[in-house]
This record gives sequence, C-alpha cells and structure tokens, in this order.
Amino acid sequence: NAGVMQNPRHLVRRRGQEARLRCSPMKGHSHVYWYRQLPEEGLKFMVYLQKENIIDESGMPKERFSAEFPKEGPSILRIQQVVRGDSAAYFCASSPDRVHNEQFFGPGTRLTVL
Amino acid sequence: EDQVTQSPEALRLQEGESSSLNCSYTVSGLRGLFWYRQDPGKGPEFLFTLYSAGEEKEKERLKATLTKKESFLHITAPKPEDSATYLCAVQAGANSKLTFGKGITLSVRP
Repeated sequence: NAGVMQNPRHLVRRRGQEARLRCSPMKGHSHVYWYRQLPEEGLKFMVYLQKENIIDESGMPKERFSAEFPKEGPSILRIQQVVRGDSAAYFCASSPDRVHNEQFFGPGTRLTVL
Repeated sequence: EDQVTQSPEALRLQEGESSSLNCSYTVSGLRGLFWYRQDPGKGPEFLFTLYSAGEEKEKERLKATLTKKESFLHITAPKPEDSATYLCAVQAGANSKLTFGKGITLSVRP
C-alpha cells in the first residue's frame, strides 16, 4: 500500500530556470495539497486541488507559481524563473475526500536554487 | 486568521522523563486539530486527529488531549527513538487546508 510519492527528492536549479515537482497521491485519494517549508519556519499551505480542479490557491504566490492535477498522472507544482528565495522543502499531502480530514504527507522535494 | 503557537520551541528530556508539549490555537470554527511527527529530512507522519474539547487519543507512549484553546501531547517514559519534531495543525471553517505551528523539537537522551 504505497504512500504519497514525490519526485524528484532533490532538485537543484540556477536562478531563472524552471522547477517541476511531481506528486502521486495515495491509492484511492483524489485530493492533493501542496505545502512549503522554509528553514526555521513552519509548513505553509500553498494550494489544494482535486482532479482537474483548483479548489483553494490562497497560499500560492501570485506570480511564477502554478499547480495542476490532471485527470491522468501526478499533480505538478511548477515554479518558473526560480529565485534563491524559492529554496525550500516542498511537501505534497493527500486525502481521500473532504469528509476524512487527515492528510498524509509525502517525503518532500528539496529545491535548491543556486 | 487562524493561528497556532507551539511551546516550548525545543525540549530535552532524559530517557524515562515524562513531559508535555503544548499547542495553543485561535481559529473560527475548529474542524480538527492534528498532531504530526517529523524526522529530519522526511515528511510529516500523521499521529492523531482531535475534533472536540475533551477528546483524548493514545498511541504507545503518546497521548493527545484537546480543550477549547489548546492541545497537549503527553509523552510518557520517552525513549531516544521518540526524538523528532512534533507539529500541531488546525483545520477550520470551510477550509480544507492545514495551518501549522512551527513545531517542537524533542530530544531524548539515553
């Protein structure tokens, strides 16, 4: 019973490049959440998606960041023109539906911007 | 705006020395309060969900309790393997997102 999968686990990008982070939810889960963890700070919510829909993007920066969860395949968090301040651990979580509130987290992708 | 404050920031215990971790919250319409454990370099691992004041849940040496303003994670006779960062989060109102505290780093010495 595989848990939430994220890849890559580590990603290094130079300033101005694009970063693509992937998340495959647990089997049977159709709700995906992305969080960011900066050094010395807590986990911060970014975006909540269901299949083919963005439900809540209130935590997403207005520029350069986008997310999708297509009908087939993993959820993607895309960061365009990365800057050093984007260096962080990005975690994906999934839940089966809105009734069951528990969110189960993946191992994270650690993004380093040089 | 939902707020979660955890204290202390760090806690060092001797093996077998019981203690409690505090999570204070301010939300409008609590739907659930969650405890997670996070080891270095890993994702948060789900521990407990509490839904209403007075509720308690236990798992091995851990016991979580909830009041209308705060939650406690009690650790009884901790072992070195309990060393980790413990995260508290709330879910409130119509939102599904979790609002996290900054975490408490627990270190248990043998």
